[in-house]
Amino acid sequence: EDKVVQSPLSLVVHEGDTVTLNCSYEVTNFRSLLWYKQEKKAPTFLFMLTSSGIEKKSGRLSSILDKKELFSILNITATQTGDSAIYLCAGATYKYIFGTGTRLKVLA
Amino acid sequence: EPEVTQTPSHQVTQMGQEVILRCVPISNHLYFYWYRQILGQKVEFLVSFYNNEISEKSEIFDDQFSVERPDGSNFTLKIRSTKLEDSAMYFCASRRSTDTQYFGPGTRLTVL
Repeated sequence: EDKVVQSPLSLVVHEGDTVTLNCSYEVTNFRSLLWYKQEKKAPTFLFMLTSSGIEKKSGRLSSILDKKELFSILNITATQTGDSAIYLCAGATYKYIFGTGTRLKVLA
Repeated sequence: EPEVTQTPSHQVTQMGQEVILRCVPISNHLYFYWYRQILGQKVEFLVSFYNNEISEKSEIFDDQFSVERPDGSNFTLKIRSTKLEDSAMYFCASRRSTDTQYFGPGTRLTVL
């Protein structure tokens, strides 16, 4: 059965800290891995990763995929209170399989 | 920037009633999806739709559910004879050709 597992389930940090969120996957006919940020409602797209070892960056966020070890990480540097959210990763095959998310809380 | 829209934002219904949730995907997108998220739980895939037909559906998507693209813009999810456990947030999503899919704001369905 396809599955996506995220860790940690929750994380509390202080502003300015760096965090690393983990996502491992077992997805048949895997095509890509996506990261989303979910605040109050809908997930908003962060990254799509298809190739191993190529880091994608957007401001203070970056992500990388390891297709051999079947995992991805999302890094957030210099965290801000606005980064507080649930971070979801999803494996894409003919459908999208989501993990349960990592709840990040950044304290001022 | 184009976005996926959904109506209504909140729907309250009585158990056993039928509901139709509406979505307008991004206009040049080709693949459409419905997901649900029960409060506090993960996002679950329901169904994908491409070229005017269902391409994949999950075990959750049983005969109680149906999808339709009645015209060139709307994409609907119909739930017949709603049950208490259908209470959830329902998200529509769409994508063009890459796997990057974009989510609508969701419809919160409450079944009483």
